[in-house]
Amino acid sequence: GDKVKQSPSALSLQEGTNSALRCNFSIAATTVQWFLQNPRGSLINLFYLVPGTKENGRLKSAFDSKESYSTLHIRDAQLEDSGTYFCAADYNQGKLIFGQGTKLSIKP
Amino acid sequence: EAAVTQSPRSKVAVTGGKVTLSCHQTNNHDYMYWYRQDTGHGLRLIHYSYVADSTEKGDIPDGYKASRPSQENFSLILELASLSQTAVYFCASRNWGTSYEQYFGPGTRLTVL
Repeated sequence: GDKVKQSPSALSLQEGTNSALRCNFSIAATTVQWFLQNPRGSLINLFYLVPGTKENGRLKSAFDSKESYSTLHIRDAQLEDSGTYFCAADYNQGKLIFGQGTKLSIKP
Repeated sequence: EAAVTQSPRSKVAVTGGKVTLSCHQTNNHDYMYWYRQDTGHGLRLIHYSYVADSTEKGDIPDGYKASRPSQENFSLILELASLSQTAVYFCASRNWGTSYEQYFGPGTRLTVL
């Protein structure tokens, strides 16, 4: 089965609302990265996490290694937040396993 | 922030032909990685390298070779391209020790006909 499961697979939000994305791990992840793949296909680094939380503007992320999950919260969603969000777990010397992604659409 | 570039940005190849994808990073990172992304899916690790002149197999190495001639350059080689290797290929790099954060290049879209 999938070692990194993301949920939901797709999400549509009104501009200005909040959302939460989640990744569950069936491997012993040591660190987690979150990326946004924009419509051009580029991967933008959002967060690199050891167990704990980080915040950057309207984004906040947490990684709980004991419970094997990570979350990404988006506050006050904007049109430019649209794209596909990926989490990736580092399981062995920097080798990443990616989730399947959450496709986020923001509507005006 | 690491600067990772890839060339070409897109390529059309014929089945059975040889394809070489190139990656160059300018931030003196030790580790470099090659991933592939199939439409609608996440990335999967093909090969990686932690030092020049050495490469390691990732999770899906079959049908691919890699070459790391210098710290800055990492190539992915498809000796006999097949239809199933149509995908977008991403290169990434990271440093050793201080952080395991990976930085990705813009990707190469490969179409095998």
